[in-house]
Amino acid sequence: SAVISQKPSRDICQRGTSLTIQCQVDSQVTMMFWYRQQPGQSLTLIATANQGSEATYESGFVIDKFPISRPNLTFSTLTVSNMSPEDSSIYLCSVHSTGELFFGEGSRLTVL
Amino acid sequence: GENVEQHPSTLSVQEGDSAVIKCTYSDSASNYFPWYKQELGKGPQLIIDIRSNVGEKKDQRIAVTLNKTAKHFSLHITETQPEDSAVYFCAASPSGTYKYIFGTGTRLKVLA
Repeated sequence: SAVISQKPSRDICQRGTSLTIQCQVDSQVTMMFWYRQQPGQSLTLIATANQGSEATYESGFVIDKFPISRPNLTFSTLTVSNMSPEDSSIYLCSVHSTGELFFGEGSRLTVL
Repeated sequence: GENVEQHPSTLSVQEGDSAVIKCTYSDSASNYFPWYKQELGKGPQLIIDIRSNVGEKKDQRIAVTLNKTAKHFSLHITETQPEDSAVYFCAASPSGTYKYIFGTGTRLKVLA
């Protein structure tokens, strides 16, 4: 299994600002992902965080809005840039390890 | 691309009764179907999964069935308990990818 720590767990942000979410895994993993879960909704894949290269974004998500870093095999960050109220969501870090997808506890962002 | 539909969106059962949640998928290339349980304020946790070469899998009070021909799979929880109350998500993953397409979720309430 993999234990994933995310911070912050929650934050209230002002419109137009940016926030960086950190994800730390207790073991080295190749596949790391960022998901968004809008209020009462399902999980949508934002991007795959690639170690040593640019992240791979899904349709509808762009690097300028959601820049991602992956400096090593245990750590990644997701920045939500120039936030608007529509960005209020839970952002989840996940890793694929031993044939399963594990999730962190999520970072709940509220944008005013 | 893959599309996963999940029903019902909410489900209330009396403690001790059974609960069934159903999902359909569109991509015949999908070969892995996990189910996740998400409790309030937490990240999703894998509770059971099934691969396309198996028709049914059981783990104590929970079971999953898969009908590849009809492209649908179901989660069955027997002898429900209040602690089973949560949101449940199904997912489908196409062969050769680490991408998971999630259903829209089912909020299960077990009434004591």
